[in-house]
Amino acid sequence: LAKTTQPISMDSYEGQEVNITCSHNNIATNDYITWYQQFPSQGPRFIIQGYKTKVTNEVASLFIPADRKSSTLSLPRVSLSDTAVYYCLVGGPNQAGTALIFGKGTTLSVSS
Amino acid sequence: DAGVIQSPRHEVTEMGQEVTLRCKPISGHNSLFWYRQTMMRGLELLIYFNNNVPIDDSGMPEDRFSAKMPNASFSTLKIQPSEPRDSAVYFCASSSVRTGTDTQYFGPGTRLTVL
Repeated sequence: LAKTTQPISMDSYEGQEVNITCSHNNIATNDYITWYQQFPSQGPRFIIQGYKTKVTNEVASLFIPADRKSSTLSLPRVSLSDTAVYYCLVGGPNQAGTALIFGKGTTLSVSS
Repeated sequence: DAGVIQSPRHEVTEMGQEVTLRCKPISGHNSLFWYRQTMMRGLELLIYFNNNVPIDDSGMPEDRFSAKMPNASFSTLKIQPSEPRDSAVYFCASSSVRTGTDTQYFGPGTRLTVL
């Protein structure tokens, strides 16, 4: 499974757009990129997933360049409730199920 | 669906005691994962099952840990004997194979404290 590198922490203020970039230089052809969010005292929660170009849902956008060696999670107009740890994972399907490896994640702190 | 259900939510026990954590995956999901999370080590994958069969248990710390999945709707993680260093939050997650990578759905976790 491809290893990912992301910043340990980021700070922001309410109303700002936050972009968290993840590097995955050895991503495989069939790997997808998935982001999870974890609030204190809760399990990680799926945010968004993509393979290439741009994906957008009601929570975030995911930008993936053509070489797919990195990806950027974009959170528009963050609020205090977006304070959480954000994990970037890459992995592909296999017959026996996929065991994604969680790194340390990026701790996002949003202040008023 | 109720999501992934874990019990108990909190467990406090004394060193040397047996601890059993329980998980009910989302109905229809065919993969189940056990994780442990601590401040020092982050989120670690302990073991995962596919169609009730253990696929990879390389993350299980030692023989004191064991996991079973007797059917598609139930799994247990047992620690015997427990030690203070086992104190952590234990998460269970489930997923279903579909086109692309599996999305894992996590339970609320069991906070284990071993005194």
